[in-house]
Amino acid sequence: SAVISQKPSRDICQRGTSLTIQCQVDSQVTMMFWYRQQPGQSLTLIATANQGSEATYESGFVIDKFPISRPNLTFSTLTVSNMSPEDSSIYLCTVSYGVQETQYFGPGTRLLVL
Amino acid sequence: QKEVEQDPGPLSVPEGAIVSLNCTYSNSAFQYFMWYRQYSRKGPELLMYTYSSGNKEDGRFTAQVDKSSKYISLFIRDSQPSDSATYLCAMNGANNLFFGTGTRLTVIP
Repeated sequence: SAVISQKPSRDICQRGTSLTIQCQVDSQVTMMFWYRQQPGQSLTLIATANQGSEATYESGFVIDKFPISRPNLTFSTLTVSNMSPEDSSIYLCTVSYGVQETQYFGPGTRLLVL
Repeated sequence: QKEVEQDPGPLSVPEGAIVSLNCTYSNSAFQYFMWYRQYSRKGPELLMYTYSSGNKEDGRFTAQVDKSSKYISLFIRDSQPSDSATYLCAMNGANNLFFGTGTRLTVIP
């Protein structure tokens, strides 16, 4: 399995600001994903981070709000833009080695927006 | 109807008990089934991974898949306080995973 790190591990932010979350993997992976985990709810896929091209967003998520970069096979960033308290959540990066392979999770970034 | 349904619990059992965690799903195309364990303030970690129907055993853990009933289970034998966590089922669609909401388990010493 992959070793995945995320930065920051947690943050408290003011309304209207933006935060960029980094995801680093210790090996080259085929797929990278970003999820959101809100209290009492199941994990929700935000987008698939595509290397060298625009991310693929799920219904309800847009690039202006959650811009994503993936410059290579081991690194991706997710930015939460113009934050509101409703964005308070845990954001998780996952990776897999194939399209239908299982996914491995990073430790998550706990975000609180005041 | 949600793609995956999971009883959120919470579930409390005494140490040594057998624990049964379950999920149902609606999409008959799912073929890969996973169980993740998530400790408080940590990311989910992969616990069990099965393909199609059948059983898979790993130590005290057994995963069962019944595709005819669209029902999956995770059994924990001789449960330990260290098993206290949230357990999430997941299954693989074409390009992403569908998760249950998770069942919070507490094993009481």
